[in-house]
Amino acid sequence: EDQVTQSPEALRLQEGESSSLNCSYTVSGLRGLFWYRQDPGKGPEFLFTLYSAGEEKEKERLKATLTKKESFLHITAPKPEDSATYLCAVGGGGADGLTFGKGTHLIIQP
Amino acid sequence: NAGVTQTPKFQVLKTGQSMTLQCAQDMNHNSMYWYRQDPGMGLRLIYYSASEGTTDKGEVPNGYNVSRLNKREFSLRLESAAPSQTSVYFCASVIIGHSGNTIYFGEGSWLTVV
Repeated sequence: EDQVTQSPEALRLQEGESSSLNCSYTVSGLRGLFWYRQDPGKGPEFLFTLYSAGEEKEKERLKATLTKKESFLHITAPKPEDSATYLCAVGGGGADGLTFGKGTHLIIQP
Repeated sequence: NAGVTQTPKFQVLKTGQSMTLQCAQDMNHNSMYWYRQDPGMGLRLIYYSASEGTTDKGEVPNGYNVSRLNKREFSLRLESAAPSQTSVYFCASVIIGHSGNTIYFGEGSWLTVV
């Protein structure tokens, strides 16, 4: 059974204070490690997909990295508009959906 | 979330009532999903459809039925709603390619069963 654990559950940072969110996973046959952003009252918004250990992807202040057991979402010099819940998910097959973690609720204070 | 449309956005049901959540995507994707999201539980897969005419159970299918009407539409039906089905429901569609999958979500449907 695929499992995804995200930590911390919640994180409060000052504007400009860089940090990382963790996603640990176990899956048989990884078909992708996904990061999503979710704002209150909205659906998850796709950020990144990583497929192999050592892969990195960047988007604005966010950078996602992948190892064989975990992924990190690094946020550099965050702004208040980066406040959201960040979800990690793994895909273990072709069409049978993703397994999600419970998310990290990130608050960036001005 | 452009491309995946869910209706209704909000609904209140009485225990035992039935209703259908509608979902449509305009991205010509083959696969579509229904998830529910509950506090402390994360997103859990209810049903999925790999292609038109096929559906399969996910992690939490009990109390739900689905219909893949055509390539665009995938509906979720609650035949006899229960308070435990109070949740936020998300429809999603996925493009499966050689470089992997990308899943796009709708805006969600907030369902309260009283």
